[in-house]
Amino acid sequence: NAGVTQTPKFQVLKTGQSMTLQCAQDMNHNSMYWYRQDPGMGLRLIYYSASEGTTDKGEVPNGYNVSRLNKREFSLRLESAAPSQTSVYFCASSRPIGGEKLFFGSGTQLSVL
Amino acid sequence: ELKVEQNPLFLSMQEGKNYTIYCNYSTTSDRLYWYRQDPGKSLESLFVLLSNGAVKQEGRLMASLDTKARLSTLHITAAVHDLSATYFCAVTLGNNNDMRFGAGTRLTVKP
Repeated sequence: NAGVTQTPKFQVLKTGQSMTLQCAQDMNHNSMYWYRQDPGMGLRLIYYSASEGTTDKGEVPNGYNVSRLNKREFSLRLESAAPSQTSVYFCASSRPIGGEKLFFGSGTQLSVL
Repeated sequence: ELKVEQNPLFLSMQEGKNYTIYCNYSTTSDRLYWYRQDPGKSLESLFVLLSNGAVKQEGRLMASLDTKARLSTLHITAAVHDLSATYFCAVTLGNNNDMRFGAGTRLTVKP
Protein backbone atom coordinates (compact mmCIF):
# COMPACT_ATOMS: atom_id res chain seq x y z
CA ASN A 1 0.00 0.00 0.00
CA ALA A 2 1.77 3.15 -1.23
CA GLY A 3 -0.24 5.74 0.79
CA VAL A 4 0.50 9.28 -0.44
CA THR A 5 2.94 9.58 -3.33
CA GLN A 6 4.53 12.87 -4.36
CA THR A 7 6.66 13.65 -7.38
CA PRO A 8 9.27 14.91 -7.89
CA LYS A 9 11.33 14.57 -4.71
CA PHE A 10 13.73 17.34 -5.65
CA GLN A 11 13.48 20.24 -8.10
CA VAL A 12 15.53 23.30 -8.93
CA LEU A 13 13.89 26.11 -10.85
CA LYS A 14 14.97 29.48 -12.12
CA THR A 15 12.94 32.53 -11.19
CA GLY A 16 9.94 32.81 -13.50
CA GLN A 17 9.80 29.16 -14.50
CA SER A 18 6.68 27.12 -13.93
CA MET A 19 6.18 23.63 -12.64
CA THR A 20 3.57 21.27 -11.26
CA LEU A 21 3.95 19.10 -8.19
CA GLN A 22 2.00 15.89 -8.40
CA CYS A 23 0.31 14.04 -5.56
CA ALA A 24 -1.70 10.84 -5.53
CA GLN A 25 -3.22 8.78 -2.73
CA ASP A 26 -4.54 5.24 -2.84
CA MET A 27 -6.42 5.22 0.48
CA ASN A 28 -9.77 6.40 -0.94
CA HIS A 29 -9.53 9.60 1.09
CA ASN A 30 -11.87 12.46 0.28
CA SER A 31 -9.72 15.30 1.54
CA MET A 32 -6.31 16.32 0.22
CA TYR A 33 -3.93 19.11 1.17
CA TRP A 34 -0.80 20.97 0.14
CA TYR A 35 1.51 22.37 2.81
CA ARG A 36 4.84 24.12 2.69
CA GLN A 37 7.45 23.77 5.41
CA ASP A 38 9.98 26.48 6.13
CA PRO A 39 12.55 26.46 8.93
CA GLY A 40 11.12 27.67 12.22
CA MET A 41 7.62 28.10 10.82
CA GLY A 42 6.08 24.69 11.04
CA LEU A 43 3.80 23.71 8.18
CA ARG A 44 1.56 26.24 6.49
CA LEU A 45 -1.49 25.24 4.50
CA ILE A 46 -1.46 26.41 0.88
CA TYR A 47 -4.66 24.86 -0.51
CA TYR A 48 -6.92 22.01 0.37
CA SER A 49 -9.63 20.01 -1.31
CA ALA A 50 -12.37 18.70 0.93
CA SER A 51 -13.74 16.47 -1.79
CA GLU A 52 -13.44 15.82 -5.50
CA GLY A 53 -14.39 18.92 -7.43
CA THR A 54 -13.78 21.41 -4.64
CA THR A 55 -10.73 23.41 -3.64
CA ASP A 56 -10.19 26.12 -1.04
CA LYS A 57 -7.46 28.51 -0.09
CA GLY A 58 -5.44 27.93 3.03
CA GLU A 59 -3.14 30.23 4.92
CA VAL A 60 -0.62 31.04 2.14
CA PRO A 61 -2.24 30.56 -1.31
CA ASN A 62 -0.65 33.44 -3.22
CA GLY A 63 1.50 32.34 -6.14
CA TYR A 64 -0.03 28.85 -6.32
CA ASN A 65 -2.86 27.10 -8.11
CA VAL A 66 -4.26 23.63 -7.53
CA SER A 67 -6.27 21.07 -9.42
CA ARG A 68 -8.18 18.17 -7.95
CA LEU A 69 -8.00 15.99 -11.01
CA ASN A 70 -10.02 13.14 -9.51
CA LYS A 71 -10.45 11.57 -6.10
CA ARG A 72 -6.89 10.23 -6.09
CA GLU A 73 -4.90 13.15 -7.46
CA PHE A 74 -4.27 16.70 -6.30
CA SER A 75 -1.67 18.81 -8.06
CA LEU A 76 0.01 22.08 -7.09
CA ARG A 77 1.20 24.49 -9.76
CA LEU A 78 3.66 27.34 -9.54
CA GLU A 79 3.01 29.55 -12.58
CA SER A 80 5.99 31.87 -12.15
CA ALA A 81 8.34 30.66 -9.47
CA ALA A 82 9.94 33.10 -7.06
CA PRO A 83 12.83 32.62 -4.61
CA SER A 84 10.33 33.04 -1.75
CA GLN A 85 8.76 29.77 -2.86
CA THR A 86 11.91 27.84 -2.01
CA SER A 87 10.60 25.36 0.52
CA VAL A 88 9.74 21.76 1.23
CA TYR A 89 6.26 20.91 -0.01
CA PHE A 90 4.13 18.19 1.51
CA CYS A 91 0.96 16.69 0.18
CA ALA A 92 -1.42 15.05 2.65
CA SER A 93 -4.77 13.31 2.69
CA SER A 94 -7.38 12.37 5.26
CA ARG A 95 -10.50 10.26 5.55
CA PRO A 96 -13.92 11.77 5.01
CA ILE A 97 -14.84 11.85 8.68
CA GLY A 98 -14.03 15.08 10.47
CA GLY A 99 -11.26 15.05 13.01
CA GLU A 100 -9.14 12.48 11.26
CA LYS A 101 -5.37 12.66 11.19
CA LEU A 102 -3.43 13.54 8.07
CA PHE A 103 -1.33 11.09 6.11
CA PHE A 104 1.66 12.80 4.53
CA GLY A 105 3.69 12.19 1.42
CA SER A 106 7.47 12.14 1.52
CA GLY A 107 7.85 15.77 0.43
CA THR A 108 9.31 17.75 -2.47
CA GLN A 109 12.33 19.90 -1.86
CA LEU A 110 12.07 22.88 -4.21
CA SER A 111 14.74 25.49 -4.75
CA VAL A 112 14.09 28.60 -6.81
CA LEU A 113 17.21 30.43 -7.87
CA GLU B 1 -6.91 34.17 13.27
CA LEU B 2 -5.86 30.85 14.73
CA LYS B 3 -2.36 30.82 16.17
CA VAL B 4 -0.65 27.72 17.47
CA GLU B 5 2.36 28.20 19.71
CA GLN B 6 4.71 25.54 20.96
CA ASN B 7 7.37 25.77 23.58
CA PRO B 8 10.12 25.14 23.86
CA LEU B 9 11.21 25.27 20.23
CA PHE B 10 14.44 23.46 21.02
CA LEU B 11 14.90 20.89 23.75
CA SER B 12 18.05 19.01 24.61
CA MET B 13 17.68 16.41 27.30
CA GLN B 14 19.55 13.49 28.72
CA GLU B 15 18.42 9.92 28.44
CA GLY B 16 16.29 8.86 31.35
CA LYS B 17 14.94 12.32 32.10
CA ASN B 18 11.34 13.55 31.90
CA TYR B 19 10.12 16.64 30.15
CA THR B 20 6.96 18.29 28.80
CA ILE B 21 6.32 20.11 25.54
CA TYR B 22 3.50 22.66 25.56
CA CYS B 23 1.10 23.65 22.82
CA ASN B 24 -1.17 26.68 23.15
CA TYR B 25 -3.74 27.75 20.60
CA SER B 26 -5.66 30.97 20.29
CA THR B 27 -9.23 30.07 19.29
CA THR B 28 -11.77 27.49 20.24
CA SER B 29 -11.07 24.02 18.93
CA ASP B 30 -11.66 20.60 20.38
CA ARG B 31 -9.44 18.69 18.00
CA LEU B 32 -5.72 18.62 18.53
CA TYR B 33 -3.07 16.50 16.86
CA TRP B 34 0.53 15.62 17.57
CA TYR B 35 2.92 14.62 14.79
CA ARG B 36 6.51 13.50 14.72
CA GLN B 37 9.06 14.30 12.01
CA ASP B 38 12.48 12.69 11.77
CA PRO B 39 15.20 14.73 10.01
CA GLY B 40 14.69 14.79 6.26
CA LYS B 41 11.53 12.71 6.54
CA SER B 42 7.82 13.23 6.36
CA LEU B 43 5.41 13.64 9.28
CA GLU B 44 3.68 10.79 11.00
CA SER B 45 0.71 11.02 13.32
CA LEU B 46 1.26 10.31 17.00
CA PHE B 47 -1.97 11.28 18.72
CA VAL B 48 -5.40 12.65 17.94
CA LEU B 49 -7.16 14.32 20.89
CA LEU B 50 -10.82 14.96 20.26
CA SER B 51 -12.31 16.15 23.53
CA ASN B 52 -11.59 18.10 26.67
CA GLY B 53 -9.65 16.01 29.15
CA ALA B 54 -8.54 13.51 26.52
CA VAL B 55 -5.34 11.68 27.41
CA LYS B 56 -3.50 9.27 25.15
CA GLN B 57 -0.32 7.35 25.76
CA GLU B 58 2.02 5.35 23.61
CA GLY B 59 5.26 4.10 24.99
CA ARG B 60 7.17 6.94 26.64
CA LEU B 61 4.89 9.65 25.22
CA MET B 62 1.66 10.87 26.75
CA ALA B 63 -0.51 13.65 25.32
CA SER B 64 -3.34 15.52 27.01
CA LEU B 65 -5.82 18.20 26.04
CA ASP B 66 -7.45 20.98 28.06
CA THR B 67 -9.82 22.78 25.70
CA LYS B 68 -10.81 25.35 28.32
CA ALA B 69 -7.21 26.45 28.75
CA ARG B 70 -6.56 25.89 25.02
CA LEU B 71 -3.54 23.87 26.00
CA SER B 72 -2.14 20.50 25.08
CA THR B 73 0.92 18.86 26.56
CA LEU B 74 3.20 16.13 25.29
CA HIS B 75 4.98 14.49 28.19
CA ILE B 76 8.13 12.47 27.68
CA THR B 77 8.99 9.89 30.31
CA ALA B 78 12.50 8.47 30.70
CA ALA B 79 13.68 9.75 27.34
CA VAL B 80 15.67 7.54 25.00
CA HIS B 81 17.74 8.50 21.96
CA ASP B 82 15.13 7.12 19.55
CA LEU B 83 12.77 9.89 20.61
CA SER B 84 15.03 12.52 19.01
CA ALA B 85 12.87 14.22 16.36
CA THR B 86 10.78 17.33 15.79
CA TYR B 87 7.33 17.25 17.34
CA PHE B 88 4.47 19.32 15.97
CA CYS B 89 1.09 20.05 17.42
CA ALA B 90 -1.75 21.05 15.11
CA VAL B 91 -5.29 22.31 15.55
CA THR B 92 -8.16 22.27 13.10
CA LEU B 93 -10.07 25.42 12.35
CA GLY B 94 -13.82 25.25 12.04
CA ASN B 95 -14.58 22.82 9.24
CA ASN B 96 -11.80 20.39 10.14
CA ASN B 97 -10.14 20.79 6.77
CA ASP B 98 -7.94 23.72 7.75
CA MET B 99 -5.27 22.29 10.05
CA ARG B 100 -2.81 24.78 11.50
CA PHE B 101 0.55 23.69 12.85
CA GLY B 102 2.82 24.98 15.54
CA ALA B 103 6.44 25.78 14.68
CA GLY B 104 7.63 22.48 16.09
CA THR B 105 9.83 21.41 18.99
CA ARG B 106 13.16 19.95 18.01
CA LEU B 107 14.02 17.35 20.62
CA THR B 108 17.51 15.96 21.03
CA VAL B 109 18.07 13.18 23.53
CA LYS B 110 21.68 12.75 24.55
CA PRO B 111 23.25 9.74 26.26
